[in-house]
Amino acid sequence: QVHLVQSGSELKKPGASVKVSCKASGYTFSSFAMNWVRQAPGQGLEWMGWINSNTGNPTYAQGFTGRFVFSLDTSVSTAYLQISSLKPEDTAVYYCARGGYYGSRGWFDPWGQGTLVTVSS
Amino acid sequence: EIVLTQSPGTLSLSPGERATLSCRPSQSVYSNYLAWYQQKPGQAPRLLIYGASSRATGIPDRFSGSESGTEFTLTISRLEPEDFAVYYCQQYGSSPITFGGGTKVEIK
Repeated sequence: QVHLVQSGSELKKPGASVKVSCKASGYTFSSFAMNWVRQAPGQGLEWMGWINSNTGNPTYAQGFTGRFVFSLDTSVSTAYLQISSLKPEDTAVYYCARGGYYGSRGWFDPWGQGTLVTVSS
Repeated sequence: EIVLTQSPGTLSLSPGERATLSCRPSQSVYSNYLAWYQQKPGQAPRLLIYGASSRATGIPDRFSGSESGTEFTLTISRLEPEDFAVYYCQQYGSSPITFGGGTKVEIK
């Protein structure tokens, strides 16, 4: 069974950094893209970008360049999202979601359970 | 960027009724690469439909997706209590991938 399990909630101060993990199981990790999606409190879903799990090449959506970094550790089938210089407006639930086969266009399935990142002084 | 407009914003229905949700793209969606997701409070989204009309594994057949002209539709034939949730459409055919704003299906 395909599963994505994310790390737990984080409370950070403005200016700090956070690293969210997403551990995959039940499939060949390097064969599928990994996407990241943000959901601010009470809001809809916003695609942040994706990383090619075979090559490690990341693609960032507009608005998620500079402070956001996608990375992988293929030895433990885990994807990471790091956010630096955190701002209060980064407060959101962050989801990882498996995408297309070898980076091809694909729907998102499954999703991780989400990681709440709260930025507050 | 393809903008997806979902309507209505909220749908108030009773269990057993039929729900019809609309998703209109601002431009053509490549190869009908359109998905629908269900999200319940405190939970991650769940894939229902991909390719505009293909049901995901384990999704009951009361959920169906269709495309007509420039509009995509998610239909829930008879609402069950567990179907009251927020539904999002998504296009994954063009970058950036985009989501609609969501339709909340609430109990009347």
